[in-house]
Amino acid sequence: GDSVTQMEGPVTLSEEACLTINCTYTATGYPSLFWYVQYPGEGLQLLLKATKADDKGSNKGFEATYRKETTSFHLEKGSVQVSDSAVYFCALSDRGSARQLTFGSGTQLTVLP
Amino acid sequence: SAVISQKPSRDICQRGTSLTIQCQVDSQVTMMFWYRQQPGQSLTLIATANQGSEATYESGFVIDKFPISRPNLTFSTLTVSNMSPEDSSIYLCSVEERAGENYGYTFGSGTRLTVV
Repeated sequence: GDSVTQMEGPVTLSEEACLTINCTYTATGYPSLFWYVQYPGEGLQLLLKATKADDKGSNKGFEATYRKETTSFHLEKGSVQVSDSAVYFCALSDRGSARQLTFGSGTQLTVLP
Repeated sequence: SAVISQKPSRDICQRGTSLTIQCQVDSQVTMMFWYRQQPGQSLTLIATANQGSEATYESGFVIDKFPISRPNLTFSTLTVSNMSPEDSSIYLCSVEERAGENYGYTFGSGTRLTVV
């Protein structure tokens, strides 16, 4: 079945450091890929998405590129802020009959001032 | 994107009781999903709820424990029955939104359940 493998955390960075959270996937079809963010005590918010190979999703300074050849969708940001502290989830959706999201394990990011 | 109102936002319940969680969507949606997020864990799909049909449950989840209603295209409920402390989790509803080839998923704010 479909699966998502996400870089284990927690990750602690200083403000203005570069961030990369690795995400790789296994899927039988051509999934859409997502990054969701969960701030402390809140629900999930869509951060960015990509629906086909070589697409780049971007939002709030975060980027991720759909790499079909490496089955990856790594999340990157050039300069993190304290307000980026949250849990980040990589997820995929198979466009077939299942259509639900399959999530990675989540990565806790803490940014220190 | 759709706006989901999920209630209650949190509750503390006695073991053996039941809690019903509601999700109201501000637009008509075909597919709704219910997830569980155990403490410090990722999200696990409980079931998919389509209007007018029985919910489809994932392995490890049964209708007697997690009955779901989906009376129309904007509303769904999940009941956590005969609760035990192991049911303490965040429960989230989600909807799929489609516009041609473009689609995505919006989540409710979650219900933080503590069973004592």
